[in-house]
Order: sequence, then C-alpha cells, then structure tokens
Amino acid sequence: EVQLLESGGGSVQPGGSLRLSCAASGFTFSSYAMTWVRQVPGKGLEWVSAISGSGYSTYYADSVQGRFTLSRDNSKNTLYLQMNSLRSEDTAVYYCAKNWGPSKPFYDYWGQGTLVTVSS
Amino acid sequence: EIVLTQSPGTLSLSPGERATLSCRASQSVSSNLAWFQQTPGQAPRLLMYGASNRATGIPDRFSGSGSGTDFTLTISRLEPEDFAVYYCQQYVDSPPITFGQGTRLEIK
Repeated sequence: EVQLLESGGGSVQPGGSLRLSCAASGFTFSSYAMTWVRQVPGKGLEWVSAISGSGYSTYYADSVQGRFTLSRDNSKNTLYLQMNSLRSEDTAVYYCAKNWGPSKPFYDYWGQGTLVTVSS
Repeated sequence: EIVLTQSPGTLSLSPGERATLSCRASQSVSSNLAWFQQTPGQAPRLLMYGASNRATGIPDRFSGSGSGTDFTLTISRLEPEDFAVYYCQQYVDSPPITFGQGTRLEIK
C-alpha cells in the first residue's frame, strides 16, 4: 500500500524557515518524480515544486523560486522541502504527492497534508 | 501559463441526479487533463486522467470527456459520498502545473 506521510509543519514568523518532510512507502521511491502542492484553507490547489526520481531535476513555481529548495534522499525514501524567507502568503496545507509516471505529472497518491502558518 | 476555468462554481443537486462539471483551458492541452475529488479535511483523490481514463478504484458512474480546450466530468447518478469539491488539472504545459479553481458539488 502506498503511503505518504508529511511532517514538519507548524507556525513560524515572517522571514523564518521550515523544513517539510514526506516519508514514502509502498512503492519504488526512486522511480517516481514527486511533487508538493499547497492549499490555503478553504481555497484551491497550487502546484509548488517537483523533483525527478533521481533528484537531478527540480522545478519551482514562480511564487517560491529562490526561497524554497526541494530535495530527496532515495536511500531513506524521503522528500524534503526547505522553505526559507517565509511570507504570510505561504500559509497553507502542504501536500506531497506521487507522480503517476514519467512525463505524466498528475498525482495518484497524496499525503494527508501538513499545515504551515506564517504569522507574526 | 495555461489557465483552467471551471464552471459552475457551485452545483446544487440531489442524490440520484446527474452532474455535469466543466473545465475550459486557455489553450489546448490535448488530452493532458486530470480530475480530482476533495472532501472536507481530506487530500485530493485522483478520479480521471488523460481526460477520459478512470483511475484505479473509481466507480464507473464517473466519466470524463473532451480534448483540446473543453472538458467535462460527468457523474451519472449521484451518491451521497460524491458531494465534494472537484478540480481539474492540466499537465501538458509543465512546469508550471495548473489547477482549475474548483467546482463545489452540494446537496440540494
């Protein structure tokens, strides 16, 4: 059974940092690109960042480019999102999601989400 | 960036009725469109991909159609558990991936 378990969310002041983790199980982690999608409570979905299976390629939304860094440790089946220079508009539930397949960036499994609150 | 516009914003129907949800893209996405269902407090669930392919475990009352810029998700006979928010997502032009703003399907 595929499972994705996010952790690391919490409250932080503007300008602060957080690192989110996503522990994966039930599939060959290194074979799949992974993605973070966020959702402001009560609002829609926003794609944040993606990483290839090998970790060599990363992609970012313009809204987080230069502030967020996505990485993965395939030996630990874990995805990481380092978030720096956080802003109030980064407040959201952050979901990690497994890409369905190569060159098909839609998402067949999602974690339960972790809430990030940026507020003074 | 491809913009996806979903309509209606809210759809009020009764169990047993047919639901038709629309997603329009600002430019062609061919068949590179997925649909998701989200219930309160839960993560999104993949319903359809490739515009018309049901994901694993999705009941056959759900169907998808369309290509290019106009897409439809149809639920043939609504069950109580189908009342949720539905999102479309394009993946032809990535990055960035884009989602529609959602359609809320509520019980009438």
